[in-house]
Amino acid sequence: QSVLTQPPSVSGAPGQRVTISCTGSSSNIGAGYDVHWYQQLPGTAPKLLIYGNSNRPSGVPDRFSGSKSGTSASLAITGLQAEDEADYYCQSYDSSLSGFWVFGGGTKLTVL
Amino acid sequence: QVQLVQSGAEVKKPGASVKVSCKASGYTFTSYGISWVRQAPGQGLEWMGWISAYNGNTNYAQKLQGRVTMTTDTSTSTAYMELRSLRSDDTAVYYCARGLTFGGDPTMSYWFDPWGQGTLVTVSS
Repeated sequence: QSVLTQPPSVSGAPGQRVTISCTGSSSNIGAGYDVHWYQQLPGTAPKLLIYGNSNRPSGVPDRFSGSKSGTSASLAITGLQAEDEADYYCQSYDSSLSGFWVFGGGTKLTVL
Repeated sequence: QVQLVQSGAEVKKPGASVKVSCKASGYTFTSYGISWVRQAPGQGLEWMGWISAYNGNTNYAQKLQGRVTMTTDTSTSTAYMELRSLRSDDTAVYYCARGLTFGGDPTMSYWFDPWGQGTLVTVSS
């Protein structure tokens, strides 16, 4: 069981907007630790998508945005495209015995 | 460009050890830490541990304590991850990743970029 909870799957049609949630607790997101997001295309290594809750690395389209509030964070993707079909993971720090840096269980995005 | 290149796939028997390398290029190796993350087949990402390339300090995930050792060779800008007493559930793709922070307390905000291409470790009798 992951310390950060994500929905197993989300889907949307091309051009639509989808959001992926990442729910934590008072020992991680709720304690003020930042949330970061990664995109993993099939058969490839994860790639940084959002860092520091809402910052995009250079080269990441502005269709991707992140936010954080309380014990949760969200990744929003607007103008959905076929190439966005991938697994998405959130990551943060956890101060409990579960370890230092932790990942969500991942969300499979399907573009219909 | 910043790049991490890992060693090739390994097949090991239960009880054996494996050592995976991760060669960095395109940046000052000793200025950043390296984390190792693994992904079992069809599963999510699991953080394994971290090593400072500056002074060799390490932090390991509690469940791997005693079985994992992370080291670096600053002369070749290479990080290593050794996992001992392998079991079938250690079968996974192992990734190295550079750690980045805004500065200050790295626990408040620490992310991984870039990642190595991954090394498949298969544990089977």
